[in-house]
Amino acid sequence: KQEVTQIPAALSVPEGENLVLNCSFTDSAIYNLQWFRQDPGKGLTSLLLIQSSQREQTSGRLNASLDKSSGRSTLYIAASQPGDSATYLCAVKGSGAGSYQLTFGKGTKLSVIP
Amino acid sequence: SQTIHQWPATLVQPVGSPLSLECTVEGTSNPNLYWYRQAAGRGLQLLFYSVGIGQISSEVPQNLSASRPQDRQFILSSKKLLLSDSGFYLCATNADRKIYGYTFGSGTRLTVV
Repeated sequence: KQEVTQIPAALSVPEGENLVLNCSFTDSAIYNLQWFRQDPGKGLTSLLLIQSSQREQTSGRLNASLDKSSGRSTLYIAASQPGDSATYLCAVKGSGAGSYQLTFGKGTKLSVIP
Repeated sequence: SQTIHQWPATLVQPVGSPLSLECTVEGTSNPNLYWYRQAAGRGLQLLFYSVGIGQISSEVPQNLSASRPQDRQFILSSKKLLLSDSGFYLCATNADRKIYGYTFGSGTRLTVV
């Protein structure tokens, strides 16, 4: 059974800092990995999607990497801003036939202090 | 790209009352559709998924059911709510079955009292 762990559970940084969020998964047989952002009381917003054959994806100040063999992904946020404050969720999709489920980590709650 | 509409945004229901949450998808046809529940401290849990009209698969046995009466409509129901049904319910889709990137709706906060 796939398990996804996100460390740290919470992180507080001053504005302008670069930061890294970590995600690890136990089963390397994944189809893809997706990073989401969730604001309080809101739905999930997709940030980056990395297919199993890819090593990284970039969007603006965000960069996500994937090391499938070691079961790890990182989300790098450059020059953090107060508007980046949210919970960041990592999710993996299994590669098995009929595998429809996304397995989520419990998230990292990020606070960027002005 | 696809857009998901969910309603209502918040709902307070007494124990034993029925439930109907609706989700509709725009911008795609024949999507895979999903219902997830997010409970405090427990992360997101897949409840149901559907690969087509009338096709529902349940991941977790519980007090809830799902239906898909139309291609882009997904409904979550209960005949009698329990206190443990409280949570944040999210509808999702991954219309592109090759890429399998997921899009989520804005969610419904259900409080059973």
